[in-house]
Amino acid sequence: NAGVTQTPKFRVLKTGQSMTLLCAQDMNHEYMYWYRQDPGMGLRLIHYSVGEGTTAKGEVPDGYNVSRLKKQNFLLGLESAAPSQTSVYFCASSSGQWDTEAFFGQGTRLTVV
Amino acid sequence: AQSVTQPDIHITVSEGASLELRCNYSYGATPYLFWYVQSPGQGLQLLLKYFSGDTLVQGIKGFEAEFKRSQSSFNLRKPSVHWSDAAEYFCAVGVSGNTGKLIFGQGTTLQVKP
Repeated sequence: NAGVTQTPKFRVLKTGQSMTLLCAQDMNHEYMYWYRQDPGMGLRLIHYSVGEGTTAKGEVPDGYNVSRLKKQNFLLGLESAAPSQTSVYFCASSSGQWDTEAFFGQGTRLTVV
Repeated sequence: AQSVTQPDIHITVSEGASLELRCNYSYGATPYLFWYVQSPGQGLQLLLKYFSGDTLVQGIKGFEAEFKRSQSSFNLRKPSVHWSDAAEYFCAVGVSGNTGKLIFGQGTTLQVKP
């Protein structure tokens, strides 16, 4: 019973490098989300998707891109990493109604040096 | 705009003592409110949620929360804290519109003394 799986779990990037974070869910959820967690700021929404082939900006989208080519996968890309993107990234999925539970992955700790 | 405030960044309680974590929200209509817990190195797990009805909601692990509309609060409580409750706790409000988005508070880190 995997739920939401994120890969990788840890990564160190140099400034200017690119990378993709992968999120996979096996609950057939329509909605998926990428959040970043920074000390003292809680979780902030980067991008989200309300279904396969759709994406939308969240609260802090700058410097990130996303794709949802398959319903079960939601990719977060950093084209040119910056130290300000050092954070813990969480993927979540839900059935989409705002009264339902969101299920979270275990997070990806990214350090940009 | 919706917002969530958790006034206490860090709380320390002794094992066996009672616990109350504060959460205040700003929202124009009846809010959808959640409490999540994050254990070290883990993702977030839902403790409980409030949508309507009884203002005292029960959750997992012996937690409960009370919705008080007059105070715009949704405080989390537990009668007797266990060492395994040490974690970070997040209060969140559901964003209006059918997107399932959440707005989180800053989080409260709970330390439990033996």
